[in-house]
Amino acid sequence: NAGVTQTPKFRILKIGQSMTLQCAQDMNHNYMYWYRQDPGMGLKLIYYSVGAGITDKGEVPNGYNVSRSTTEDFPLRLELAAPSQTSVYFCASSYGESTEQFFGPGTRLTVL
Amino acid sequence: QQQVKQSPQSLIVQKGGISIINCAYENTAFDYFPWYQQFPGKGPALLIAIRPDVSEKKEGRFTISFNKSAKQFSLHIMDSQPGDSATYFCAASMSSGYSTLTFGKGTMLLVSP
Repeated sequence: NAGVTQTPKFRILKIGQSMTLQCAQDMNHNYMYWYRQDPGMGLKLIYYSVGAGITDKGEVPNGYNVSRSTTEDFPLRLELAAPSQTSVYFCASSYGESTEQFFGPGTRLTVL
Repeated sequence: QQQVKQSPQSLIVQKGGISIINCAYENTAFDYFPWYQQFPGKGPALLIAIRPDVSEKKEGRFTISFNKSAKQFSLHIMDSQPGDSATYFCAASMSSGYSTLTFGKGTMLLVSP
């Protein structure tokens, strides 16, 4: 099993550009999450999904969108990138709530 | 706002010493308390977790102590090793209603040789 995979590993965007961060898991987990990690700030939840077709906002959803058309994939879309979106983004999945979350390797995004 | 407050921000411990990281929470409905370990350039990984029906859980050199009345829980790393140098995050959630994890801000641990 590959676990949770994320692409790309690194990306530099110009202000106003858009991009999609890809996330996939092969553990047949129902729950998937997107976090951003900024230095000294811990992990902030952006969006999460409890199953295909179901998504909900986390703590910091502004400027982002998600979709969940399959159990395996949970892409995160950035529209009109801003410098405040410079961060490391982690995708995670879990079997259910309050169970172990498995994290991907992260995507380091810089917006200039 | 559900919060989990973690301290200290950073910690330096000599090899063989005990590392202690503390967390406090506000929401009494929280009933799942995991600790995650993150090495530089990697995603976090579950280290150990506890539920409030017990006051302590031990796995090897890692122990969680839980104080329900004080709404606090802590991670103890016995016989700390240089390989334990990492960032540690505490977290909390409820086991109902599509609850998600609320993370502390993290503690950067350095174990000196």
